[in-house]
Amino acid sequence: DIQMTQSPSSLSASVGDRVTITCRASQSIKSYLNWHQQKPGKAPKLLISAASSLQSGVPSRFSGSGSGTDFSLTISSLQPEDFATYYCQQSYSTPVTFGQGTKLEIK
Amino acid sequence: EVQLLESGGGLVQPGGSLRLSCAASGFTFSDFAMSWVRQAPGKGLEWISGITGSGVNTYLTDSVKGRFTISRDNSKNTLFLLMNSLRAEDTAVYYCARGENAYNWNDVDYWGQGTLVAVSS
Repeated sequence: DIQMTQSPSSLSASVGDRVTITCRASQSIKSYLNWHQQKPGKAPKLLISAASSLQSGVPSRFSGSGSGTDFSLTISSLQPEDFATYYCQQSYSTPVTFGQGTKLEIK
Repeated sequence: EVQLLESGGGLVQPGGSLRLSCAASGFTFSDFAMSWVRQAPGKGLEWISGITGSGVNTYLTDSVKGRFTISRDNSKNTLFLLMNSLRAEDTAVYYCARGENAYNWNDVDYWGQGTLVAVSS
């Protein structure tokens, strides 16, 4: 199975900050990398697919980049509604695997 | 609008069984592969099973293989997860999720709201 490792596990930031979350795969997954956002008590929501493709309706302050084994999710200017847990997910091979999550908290 | 609504969760004793359902609407159900993903309390996401749009091909992770069965009824737009020999470590919120197309369960694009399964004596 492909292992996905996110860093940091938690992050404290302020509204308006620019933040970056990284995700590393244990082997090359090309661009088969998705990012999901989960708010407390809610289902996850797909934000970005294929490493950098923003889903319809997702604000443009979110962006993704990377290929191979190293990926990142950047939020250019944090908004109050962005405080949540973010998961990377590889779709290169079955079984699908997720990173352990990055909890983004308000400073 | 795509909607996925899980049901069937609850409290069950170790060794017991449950059948989860996921009612789909807002899209042509048979055109999409589906998955089950679970999340133990306070933990991350764990993908456990996938099924193609036709239902012919399925996959179960090692952690549930031999105990869980995934199936679907395309005439009723419903996905199922039959869980037998339940263990305490199966306690989690179980989400159904839609794949990108009929054959690709790996790319999840929509999630249900989840149903809680608690395994305890």
